Amino acid sequence: QKEVEQNSGPLSVPEGAIASLNCTYSDRGSQSFFWYRQYSGKSPELIMSIYSNGDKEDGRFTAQLNKASQYVSLLIRDSQPSDSATYLCAVVITSGTYKYIFGTGTRLKVLA
Amino acid sequence: DTAVSQTPKYLVTQMGNDKSIKCEQNLGHDTMYWYKQDSKKFLKIMFSYNNKELIINETVPNRFSPKSPDKAHLNLHINSLELGDSAVYFCASSPGLPSSNEQFFGPGTRLTVL
Repeated sequence: QKEVEQNSGPLSVPEGAIASLNCTYSDRGSQSFFWYRQYSGKSPELIMSIYSNGDKEDGRFTAQLNKASQYVSLLIRDSQPSDSATYLCAVVITSGTYKYIFGTGTRLKVLA
Repeated sequence: DTAVSQTPKYLVTQMGNDKSIKCEQNLGHDTMYWYKQDSKKFLKIMFSYNNKELIINETVPNRFSPKSPDKAHLNLHINSLELGDSAVYFCASSPGLPSSNEQFFGPGTRLTVL
């Protein structure tokens, strides 16, 4: 099992819809979770971090964490064409030296 | 006032050559990283330095040698370049160890080995 798994997509949603991006991870001890957005040809930039079970909202973005199920998700409400990008889930694994492990990313396309 | 900068942005070279990529951050962070992003967009950690000390050294060929002259700089030297080294290399930094901190990425260096 990969340490961090995401569906590569593309996930296509119409403008104005809710986009739901999912990520599962294998390290039960992980405590820190991040969502990054990467536009084509650009570097990743942080959208949200989440550390506790439940939901965390920031504008149109909501991160959801369920440590028991080892699952973290990102919801984008009122999706815009400018949200079209690859979304990378990152998990800090705790076995040995703490380090970021990125998922392979989900490509999101918001259709105008 | 770029936070994390890398040079060069593009690097095209022949197999067997030796090349270096430089990274600098002006955020005052303690930890710096090198990542490799392949053609399938998978972003994989290669090395990490905390206050000039190597703390993460993933399974990377020893043709790759990082160097951190001070905590604001982390360079990557690659010997005997191979076709499979073609990728985008990102430098990143974070305040402290990666246990709970956001990482800030540089613009990337696209390396093409012919």
